[in-house]
Order: sequence, then C-alpha cells, then structure tokens
Amino acid sequence: NAGVTQTPKFQVLKTGQSMTLQCAQDMNHEYMSWYRQDPGMGLRLIHYSVGAGITDQGEVPNGYNVSRSTTEDFPLRLLSAAPSQTSVYFCASSYDALASTDTQYFGPGTRLTVL
Amino acid sequence: GNSVTQMEGPVTLSEEAFLTINCTYTATGYPSLFWYVQYPGEGLQLLLKATKADDKGSNKGFEATYRKETTSFHLEKGSVQVSDSAVYFCALSPSGNTPLVFGKGTRLSVIA
Repeated sequence: NAGVTQTPKFQVLKTGQSMTLQCAQDMNHEYMSWYRQDPGMGLRLIHYSVGAGITDQGEVPNGYNVSRSTTEDFPLRLLSAAPSQTSVYFCASSYDALASTDTQYFGPGTRLTVL
Repeated sequence: GNSVTQMEGPVTLSEEAFLTINCTYTATGYPSLFWYVQYPGEGLQLLLKATKADDKGSNKGFEATYRKETTSFHLEKGSVQVSDSAVYFCALSPSGNTPLVFGKGTRLSVIA
C-alpha cells in the first residue's frame, strides 16, 4: 500500500491564481480530511469527508473547496490564492468515519507559498 | 466544546533525560486520546493512543495514561534519544462522527 499520497510536494503561486492539491489513499478509508499547519497554530481542519459524495466544513474553510467523487481521492481547490494561504497542507484518512478510536494516517504534506 | 491544551515549547533536553509533555483536554462524552509525532520534513504519524479512562498507551518507550479525573494525557519517556527530536501533538477524538481536535504541538530537541 502507498498509504496517503499528496501532490505536489512544493508549489509557488501568485496571488489570484488557482490550483488543486491532490490527495489519494489506497486503504479504502471512509474518512478523509485536509489540515493546514502554520507556525504556532498547530493543525487546523479545513474540510473533511465521511464518505464519497459527502463533505463538510472544518475550522478554516474560507477560500477552499473540496469534493469527494470517489473513495480514494479528496482534492483541495484554491480558487483565488492569497498570501494568507501560504502554509503546509496535510491530507489525512481513517478507516471508519464513525469510530472515534480510529488512527488517522497522514500524507507527507504540500508546502504552498503564495506571493 | 472540545479542545486540547498542551505545554508550550520548545523543549530542549540532553540525551537520556526524562521527558514529560503535558496535555489536558476539554470534551463532552468519552473521547479517545492520541499522541501524534511529526519528524522533520514529514507528515504526522500515530505514536500512541488510549480509548478509555485509565488506559495506558505505549510505544517506542513513550507512555501516556488517560486520566479522566484530571482530564489529562501527559506524554512521558524515561530516557530520550537524539532521534526523538520532533514535534509532538496531543489530540482527542470526540465520541461520534466528529473530527479529530489537535493541540498546537510541542517541539522537542534532544542534544547529545
């Protein structure tokens, strides 16, 4: 199993550009989520999904869109990038969306810089 | 609401020193508690977890006990190594279909 994969690893954007961060998992996990990590702020949840076709907002959803058309993929879209979105983005997944005991598996992260 | 508070870092220790990273939580119901570790340049990975009161999670010499009476889940290790240098995150998973809640992380540096 490749686990949770994220592409790209690094990206530089100009203000106003759009892009999609890719996340895929091959573990047949129901639950997938996106976090951003900023210095001194820990991890903050952007969006999450409890299954294909179902998404919900987390703590900091503004400026980001998601969709979940398949179990495996959960892309994060930035429609019009802003410098405040400069961050490291992590995707995570777990097997059972309803089980609070489940371990989350994280991807290696995407480091995004918006100029 | 649900929240996690962990001690501010950074923490710098000499090799073989004793480590404690404090973590307290606020939650409704009966959450599961986790410690995740992030090594430099990597994503987070599970270090240990405990799913009910008085459970002790352990892994790689690290331990944490789920204390409901003090709402705490402190991370301890008896003798740290340079390879333990990382950022440690305490987290809780509320009962039911609710996302994981993380603390802000504590950076540990171990010097030889």
